[in-house]
Amino acid sequence: QKEVEQDPGPLSVPEGAIVSLNCTYSNSAFQYFMWYRQYSRKGPELLMYTYSSGNKEDGRFTAQVDKSSKYISLFIRDSQPSDSATYLCAMTRYGGSQGNLIFGKGTKLSVKP
Amino acid sequence: KAGVTQTPRYLIKTRGQQVTLSCSPISGHRSVSWYQQTPGQGLQFLFEYFSETQRNKGNFPGRFSGRQFSNSRSEMNVSTLELGDSALYLCASSLGADRGLQEKLFFGSGTQLSVL
Repeated sequence: QKEVEQDPGPLSVPEGAIVSLNCTYSNSAFQYFMWYRQYSRKGPELLMYTYSSGNKEDGRFTAQVDKSSKYISLFIRDSQPSDSATYLCAMTRYGGSQGNLIFGKGTKLSVKP
Repeated sequence: KAGVTQTPRYLIKTRGQQVTLSCSPISGHRSVSWYQQTPGQGLQFLFEYFSETQRNKGNFPGRFSGRQFSNSRSEMNVSTLELGDSALYLCASSLGADRGLQEKLFFGSGTQLSVL
């Protein structure tokens, strides 16, 4: 079993829809959870960062972490064609050091006008 | 402020050759990490350098190596290339100063390596 599982999609939704992206993980020691967005032929960019359990909201984006279920989610409200990208979840046990980020394989999202 | 710069953007090599990729971090960033991205395995951590020292290493064979210079620029080298080394190699930089909190990683656009 991989440490982090993420449905690769592709996921296609109409403009304005609410999008739900999810990851499950097996290592209960993970404490830091991130969502990255990657456009085609670009590097990933950090969207959301959450420490431990709970919710975090930033504009149209909401990240949720449920450590008891080992499940994290990213919600995108009022989705736009510009949101079309691959979304990667990432997590780690440790703060600071970059070397312990474990990534999901990414979900490809397409938002149709 | 300039972002993370990786060169070259694309590279084609043949099996058995070696390759060197370059990364210039954001000004003021002292930590540079390298990742390999493939469709099959996703993003996998290679190694991290901080102040010219390797601080962390992923689970890759010794053919993969790196170094960091005093100006924080970094290079990674892959020797005796194999077909399976074809991938997007991403470099990411961060301040690297605070080990107590997860820092924001800034990624470059990557070097697409094709091994024939």
